[in-house]
Formats: sequence, C-alpha cells, structure tokens
Amino acid sequence: NAGVTQTPKFQVLKTGQSMTLQCAQDMNHNSMYWYRQDPGMGLRLIYYSASEGTTDKGEVPNGYNVSRLNKREFSLRLESAAPSQTSVYFCASSDMGQITGELFFGEGSRLTVL
Amino acid sequence: GDSVTQMEGPVTLSEEAFLTINCTYTATGYPSLFWYVQYPGEGLQLLLKATKADDKGSNKGFEATYRKETTSFHLEKGSVQVSDSAVYFCALRRPGGGNKLTFGTGTQLKVEL
Repeated sequence: NAGVTQTPKFQVLKTGQSMTLQCAQDMNHNSMYWYRQDPGMGLRLIYYSASEGTTDKGEVPNGYNVSRLNKREFSLRLESAAPSQTSVYFCASSDMGQITGELFFGEGSRLTVL
Repeated sequence: GDSVTQMEGPVTLSEEAFLTINCTYTATGYPSLFWYVQYPGEGLQLLLKATKADDKGSNKGFEATYRKETTSFHLEKGSVQVSDSAVYFCALRRPGGGNKLTFGTGTQLKVEL
C-alpha cells in the first residue's frame, strides 16, 4: 500500500538549473497539493489541483510550475532554481468527495540549491 | 488572512510527563481545526480533528478541544512516551476552502527516558 510516492528524495542543484519533482498517489484521490516546509515557517501551499485538469496557485507559487498529468500524478517544476527554493517539498492528496481536512502526505523531497 | 500560531519548541519532557502544546488561530467564520504529527523522516499524518466549537478530538491518548471563545485548540496528553517524539503541527481549514489547510510553524517534542 504505497499511498503517496515522491521522487527524488534528495536533490542538489546549482542556481539556474531546472528540475521536476514527481508525485504519484494510488488512493484514487481527486485533489493533490504541493507544500514546502521551511524552519520557522511551517508548511506553505505552493500549488494545488482540486481535480484532474485543474490547477491553482497557493500561498507561495512564484518560481514554480505544476502539471496534473492524470488523476494519479502531480508534478512540480522549478524552471530556474534559486537558493531561496532550498526546502523540503511535500506532496499530498485528499478525497475531494470527503471534505474532512485529511491530507495524505508523501515522505518529502529535500532540495538544496547552491 | 487565516493564520495559526503555535508555541515554539523544542519541548523536552521526561517519559510519563504531561504534555501541552498551545495553538491559537485567526480565521473568518468557523474553521475546522486539526493536529498533524510528523515522525522523523516521514510525511505528516493526521492525529486528530474538531469541526465545531466545543468539539473534542482525540486519538492515541492525545486530546484537543475547539475553544471558539479563546480561538484555541491546545494539544494535550496525560503521559508521553519516547515514541511520541515528533513535530506537531496545528492547522485549520476555512469553510468553503475544500481541503486546503493553513498550518502553524510546528512544535518539536522530544521525550527522554
């Protein structure tokens, strides 16, 4: 029972490089989210996708793009990485049919931008 | 906008001690409130929730009561264990906000023998 799977788990980039974080869920959830976690800041929402085919900006979308590839997959792309994007990134999913507030999180992807 | 304020950590306790982690919120309307826990090396998972004033959420010996008058949702446990060492996040969901959550900064708990 995999739940939410994120890849890669660790990545080091140089300033200006690009990369894509991948996320897949096997719970047949409609909604998916990308958060970043920074010391003293908690989790902040970057982008979310309420359902397949839709994406919306969260609290801190600048410097990121997302793609909801299908119902299972939601990727986060950094086109030109900056040191300020050094963070731990979490993907999450939820069942839109049940507005319960329960999100299911992946294990996180630790990104360092030099 | 919506916000959640938690007490700063780390909180260090001896095993079997009483735990309180404070959480207050600012939101319009009547939000739902949550506590999530993050064990080392893992993602967050839901610990407990309360959806209306005076509701008490409970799970694994942890409790929190939704206090509308003080806009608070403090987490308590009567006797902590080493296995409770983790980071605890308070969060809210605004009515009409789907499942988008606003999180606090997290409080690290360390329980020692």
